[in-house]
Amino acid sequence: QKEVEQNSGPLSVPEGAIASLNCTYSDRGSQSFFWYRQYSGKSPELIMSIYSNGDKEDGRFTAQLNKASQYVSLLIRDSQPSDSATYLCALGRGSARQLTFGSGTQLTVLP
Amino acid sequence: GAVVSQHPSRVICKSGTSVKIECRSLDFQATTMFWYRQFPKKSLMLMATSNEGSKATYEQGVEKDKFLINHASLTLSTLTVTSAHPEDSSFYICSARDGRAGGPDEQYFGPGTRLTVT
Repeated sequence: QKEVEQNSGPLSVPEGAIASLNCTYSDRGSQSFFWYRQYSGKSPELIMSIYSNGDKEDGRFTAQLNKASQYVSLLIRDSQPSDSATYLCALGRGSARQLTFGSGTQLTVLP
Repeated sequence: GAVVSQHPSRVICKSGTSVKIECRSLDFQATTMFWYRQFPKKSLMLMATSNEGSKATYEQGVEKDKFLINHASLTLSTLTVTSAHPEDSSFYICSARDGRAGGPDEQYFGPGTRLTVT
């Protein structure tokens, strides 16, 4: 089992819809979880971090964490074409908090 | 938000030469910096972790003599690709975090350096 697994995608949603991105992880000891967005040819950009069970909202983005189920998700409300990118789920591990990335989910928001 | 710069953004070099890439944290003290490489349509692969003032820790399979990392100050880390070959052509990305006790876990990425070895 991979350490971090993301729904395979690609995912297409119409403009204005909710995009749902999911991620499961295998290490029950993981404490920090992140969602990054990466546009083609660019480096990752931090969207959300979440450390506690439950929901965390920031603008149109909501991260959800369920440690018992080893599951973290990202909801994007009112999706815009500019949200079209690859979304990377990552876990922090070790004392240096090295990131373990999932393979990413490519999202396309159709105008 | 935290800003990390990287220079150069793009470099083309001949096989056998060395290339140095700089990574700077502009508005915070980066006690820990990370170097990644990314091949087209693949996820990021961590190459090494460096803490200011100490030797870098390399991931398994990464040649430490080929990829020299120096983290001499709290705002600067460098990656030198020595004797570069075409298979070293890739997108190299650094990230940084404030690793002091109680500091946040978030890592912030530089814009990346696209290396092409001819």
